[in-house]
Amino acid sequence: DQQVKQNSPSLSVQEGRISILNCDYTNSMFDYFLWYKKYPAEGPTFLISISSIKDKNEDGRFTVFLNKSAKHLSLHIVPSQPGDSAVSVCAASGWAGSARQLTFGSGTQLTVLP
Amino acid sequence: NAGVTQTPKFQVLKTGQSMTLQCAQDMNHNSMYWYRQDPGMGLRLIYYSASEGTTDKGEVPNGYNVSRLNKREFSLRLESAAPSQTSVYFCASSDRDTNTEAFFGQGTRLTVV
Repeated sequence: DQQVKQNSPSLSVQEGRISILNCDYTNSMFDYFLWYKKYPAEGPTFLISISSIKDKNEDGRFTVFLNKSAKHLSLHIVPSQPGDSAVSVCAASGWAGSARQLTFGSGTQLTVLP
Repeated sequence: NAGVTQTPKFQVLKTGQSMTLQCAQDMNHNSMYWYRQDPGMGLRLIYYSASEGTTDKGEVPNGYNVSRLNKREFSLRLESAAPSQTSVYFCASSDRDTNTEAFFGQGTRLTVV
């Protein structure tokens, strides 16, 4: 059973508008959450993260919100730019044995239209 | 700034052949990971290594072996490749002791025919 779910496989928004990407998780042991961006034929690159002790983290155009009671996080991108077009991947981190492990969602293809 | 380097980038194998995927990181990270990504699915953990000399199974370890050669290098071996192992493989590293993100290599696209 998927522990991290991104239920929207794709999202299209106009340049300059807000992009909202959603992610749900099931495991209460996750204590750190991350968003990655993935372009074709490349490895994921880190965007922004949030600790479970916070409910919001901002970094420039990117803001991540965490609702622990709902086991839900979202990534807001304002304003959206064509360069944001990529697969946005949600990940949740928790300790398993002696190392942290990341559990990934399947990703949402974000397309920002000029 | 090399980060995480994987070789090769592409490989085609016949069923039953063996090969080793190489991964090296230059960030002095303790933890290293091997993932596979299949269409429509998230990255799935194959094996990980919390530190030099230790390795542990992840979610999908069957058909694979790993070696943590030293702190920098973590290799993934397919002893007898099967078509079900056709996938894109990513190596990653992270600092075990802090809540930092994992850094990924460029990936290896493997096709088993």
